[in-house]
Amino acid sequence: SSVLTQPPSVSVAPGKTAHITCGGDNIADKSVHWYQQKPGQAPVLVVYDDSVRPSGIPERFSGSNSGNTATLTINRVEGGDEADFYCQVWDTNSDQAIFGGGTKLTVV
Amino acid sequence: QLQLQESGPGLVKPSETLSLTCTVSGGSISSRSYYWGWIRQPPGKGLEWIGSIYYSGTTYYNPSLKSRVTISVDTSNNQFSLKLSSVTAADTATYSCARYTSLGYCTGTSCEGYFDYWGQGTLVPVSS
Repeated sequence: SSVLTQPPSVSVAPGKTAHITCGGDNIADKSVHWYQQKPGQAPVLVVYDDSVRPSGIPERFSGSNSGNTATLTINRVEGGDEADFYCQVWDTNSDQAIFGGGTKLTVV
Repeated sequence: QLQLQESGPGLVKPSETLSLTCTVSGGSISSRSYYWGWIRQPPGKGLEWIGSIYYSGTTYYNPSLKSRVTISVDTSNNQFSLKLSSVTAADTATYSCARYTSLGYCTGTSCEGYFDYWGQGTLVPVSS
């Protein structure tokens, strides 16, 4: 089954751009989805199908997927963006959902 | 607006069975485009998918938990349930139910998709 690798932490200054990666063998062959989870709250879907934003998610959030890496990009980062971010795929070979280990985004 | 709410005992003893129910409101659990899933998160750790079910009863389980997990659906009450047997302290986690939307990219017996609506989650400690 697939394994998704995320960096444990990413730090970014306010107003700058954050890139959070999700690595996996030929991940470009799969649809990747991203969730934001703030402390004490349920995860919120911020990007699905590699690059589609759900209704209500700011345009500052975008996604891409190529080769062995999918990337969540957050432009003009704000303090309120601090959270844990998780990538997820569905592996049709093993019929299971797989989450990455999560990345803690810190705005410094 | 779709809402999901987990319910069940707040504490489970080691070796017993953890049982939770997710009640769906604001939409039908029998909608053909959706599956329904359980995800857990141990304190301070990441998300782990437990399993998912289609309204017809077709189930998918995490291979690492498959021997201990049963997920069922009750369409008449718009609910689906989780049973996890022989629990240990390692099963202490916040358990969340969620709706899984299929993208329609299907291979074999399953389809790619994402979890777009989540319950608030319920912390279930396993302790004697």
